[in-house]
Amino acid sequence: EVQLLESGGGLIQSGGSLRLSCAGFGFTFSNYAMTWVRQAPGEGLEWLSGISGAGGITYYGDSVKGRFTISRDNSKNTVYLQMNSLAAEDTAVYYCARLSHIAVPHTRADYWGRGTLVTVSS
Amino acid sequence: DIQMTQSPSSLSASVGDRVTITCRASQTISSYLNWYQQIPGKAPRVLIYAASTLQSGVPSRFSGSGSGTDFTLTINSLQPEDFATYYCQQSYGFPWTFGRGTKVEI
Repeated sequence: EVQLLESGGGLIQSGGSLRLSCAGFGFTFSNYAMTWVRQAPGEGLEWLSGISGAGGITYYGDSVKGRFTISRDNSKNTVYLQMNSLAAEDTAVYYCARLSHIAVPHTRADYWGRGTLVTVSS
Repeated sequence: DIQMTQSPSSLSASVGDRVTITCRASQTISSYLNWYQQIPGKAPRVLIYAASTLQSGVPSRFSGSGSGTDFTLTINSLQPEDFATYYCQQSYGFPWTFGRGTKVEI
């Protein structure tokens, strides 16, 4: 059974940094691109970043480009999101998701974690 | 970036109704359009991909259509567990973008 488990969320002061982790289980992790999506309280979904299976290609949304860095360690079956210069508007539930096949971006997020809450206090 | 416009933003329906949600892209995206369902407090799950292909395990009462810029998600014979918010998402190019969602209230 495919499972994704996020961790690393919490309360952080404005201007601070946080690193989220997402561990994958039940599939060959290195064969799949991964992505991060967030959802601010009461708001819709916002795509943040994606990374290829080998980790050599990364993609970012405009709102996080230059502040967030996605990476992965396939030996640990884990993808990371390093978040710097955090602001109140970054407060959200952060989801990691698996992309269904290698042909990014023409694919879908077929498995999602339960999410981890990041709260940025001003 | 490609803008995705969903309508309506919310709707009220009864069990057994047929529900239609529309999504319009700001430029042509071929058939690179996915639909997700999000139940309150839960992670999203994909229902339809490539505009009209049903994701494995999703009930057949869900269907999708469209290409180019205009797309539709249809729920036939609405069930109580379909109370949720539905999002369209373009996968034509990065950055991926989502519609603002349609909340379906039973």
